[in-house]
Amino acid sequence: AQSVAQPEDQVNVAEGNPLTVKCTYSVSGNPYLFWYVQYPNRGLQFLLKYITGDNLVKGSYGFEAEFNKSQTSFHLKKPSALVSDSALYFCAVRDSSNYQLIWGAGTKLIIKP
Amino acid sequence: KAGVTQTPRYLIKTRGQQVTLSCSPISGHRSVSWYQQTPGQGLQFLFEYFSETQRNKGNFPGRFSGRQFSNSRSEMNVSTLELGDSALYLCASSLNPGTLGTEAFFGQGTRLTVV
Repeated sequence: AQSVAQPEDQVNVAEGNPLTVKCTYSVSGNPYLFWYVQYPNRGLQFLLKYITGDNLVKGSYGFEAEFNKSQTSFHLKKPSALVSDSALYFCAVRDSSNYQLIWGAGTKLIIKP
Repeated sequence: KAGVTQTPRYLIKTRGQQVTLSCSPISGHRSVSWYQQTPGQGLQFLFEYFSETQRNKGNFPGRFSGRQFSNSRSEMNVSTLELGDSALYLCASSLNPGTLGTEAFFGQGTRLTVV
């Protein structure tokens, strides 16, 4: 079965430090991977996607993600965290059978000043 | 360019009632998907509409239904509401069906509370 796992419910990082939010996936065929962010009382905002090409994908707000095929991972990263990065982050993979998105459970990112 | 608009933002309903939620996609987008978001279950796919036709349906009971109009606006209906239907309902629009190579854009959601 196709799935996405975000192993951490919550990640705490001090402001200015690098951050990583983990995501692993299981999908048939080539993976189409996405990261979205949700701020309180808001809908989801697109951050970045991997379709093909360079394994390091750059996105909005200084975020990037590294696609690792051998480890079936697509971790979200940022070199220097900001307090304003505090939010709920979702990883998703496109279902190869119906092209819908399969979502991870979400990871709450808390950046402390 | 206006984003995805969902109305109303908040709703309080009583068990047994029915509710209709509305979603207006980004201009030019013909695909609309609906999701239910709860703290325990994350995002669960409800259904997707493209050009007034339901393309895909998630694993929800028949009390959950939807439709799409010729202007791509979509409505979602939940009948015989249950307490467990309390959730944030999100609508997403995209240019192509099934996020084929493109990202989906989300509305702010409708917060439904069933009492």
